[in-house]
Order: sequence, then C-alpha cells, then structure tokens
Amino acid sequence: DSGVTQTPKHLITATGQRVTLRCSPRSGDLSVYWYQQSLDQGLQFLIQYYNGEERAKGNILERFSAQQFPDLHSELNLSSLELGDSALYFCASSTSRGGGANVLTFGAGSRLTVL
Amino acid sequence: SQQGEEDPQALSIQEGENATMNCSYKTSINNLQWYRQNSGRGLVHLILIRSNEREKHSGRLRVTLDTSKKSSSLLITASRAADTASYFCATDENSGYALNFGKGTSLLVTP
Repeated sequence: DSGVTQTPKHLITATGQRVTLRCSPRSGDLSVYWYQQSLDQGLQFLIQYYNGEERAKGNILERFSAQQFPDLHSELNLSSLELGDSALYFCASSTSRGGGANVLTFGAGSRLTVL
Repeated sequence: SQQGEEDPQALSIQEGENATMNCSYKTSINNLQWYRQNSGRGLVHLILIRSNEREKHSGRLRVTLDTSKKSSSLLITASRAADTASYFCATDENSGYALNFGKGTSLLVTP
C-alpha cells in the first residue's frame, strides 16, 4: 500500500457520460498529480495541484477538469466521454510543489472503460 | 508531453542474467528517475540521479547518466523472476514541475 488511495478501481460507462475519479494523497503530501496511461500513448501527465492550487498543466483535454480540496484530496472529472478515453488514470502525490528532486508516490489507478 | 524514450521496448532474459535498459531525453534536466510498474499496478520509484551525478547504485540497481548525450541507463544485476515489470524513466524537463515519463521497457525474466 503506497498510501495514495484512488477510487473507484474499475469503472465502466458509456460514451457521452461523465465520471469522477477520486484521489487521497499520502499523508503529509501537498502535491497531487494526475496521469493517464493508455497502450498507445504511454503515461501522459494531465495536471498538478499543490495545496489546493493548480500548479502545472499537461495534455489535459478541455472535457477534463480537476480540483484539489482543502483536505487535499483531489477529483478528476471526465465528461462527454469517448471510446479513446478508456485508460488507466493514476494519481500520484509528493511533498514538493514541483521541480528539484520530486519523487512521486503513485496510487493503484482507476481503470476506465468507455463502451 | 513525453520526453524520455526507453530502449528497448521489450527485453526477455533468464534469471541470473543482467538486464540493461536505456533512456534518452531531449532537453536539459535537473534529475532523472527510474520507476517500475508491475502489470496493471501503480508505478513505484526506484532511484533518482541528479544532473551532476554520473552513476548511482541501489542494491542490484545501477543507474548511469550522461548529460552530454542526454541519456541514462538502468542495469539490474542478477535478475529474478520478481523483476518482471515495466521500467520507466522520468525527467523533469520542460515543465520543471511534473515528471515526464517515457513509454517504458517491458522486462520479462524467466526462471
């Protein structure tokens, strides 16, 4: 157990729907990162939050949004889902705001299947 | 965006042999990290090497970094079946905040 908790573990939904993925970072970590892993694209950085504020943005689609709450948990919202959104979504956390020796601790992931 | 590129994409060896995988990146970095992912699970941090270091060891792992060639290698000595996993390099180039991962090397160690 890495200390980073992601729910749900598996999610099956239909095209056009909206889902929310949840992440609780490791105790003491202020940064939360979201990554998408698919077979053809590898591990893609989506977005980072540090202590409630957006810190860095990667290849996140406009249909996706995220936020980090005062208790530091984070949610990734995926809307108007398409078949291509099927992937493993990972949350990772770290103590650092980013840069420097930023070691990430990953959760077990949420597997999203869009039918 | 992905910056690190691992090579080879896949590697199959027998227990006891050494496994070497390589990573190349495109711009300057502060440090480079290697992570392991067992099938369908979260990534686990293995080792970090800073840009001013050339070699680092951790147990059976040896990492080298050549900033002039923008490349790194991960050597796993005396491989075990439990080392079967995908290995990713990650760099902090470009954004300086999030880590950019390559597509990984899939390692299979057979008994």
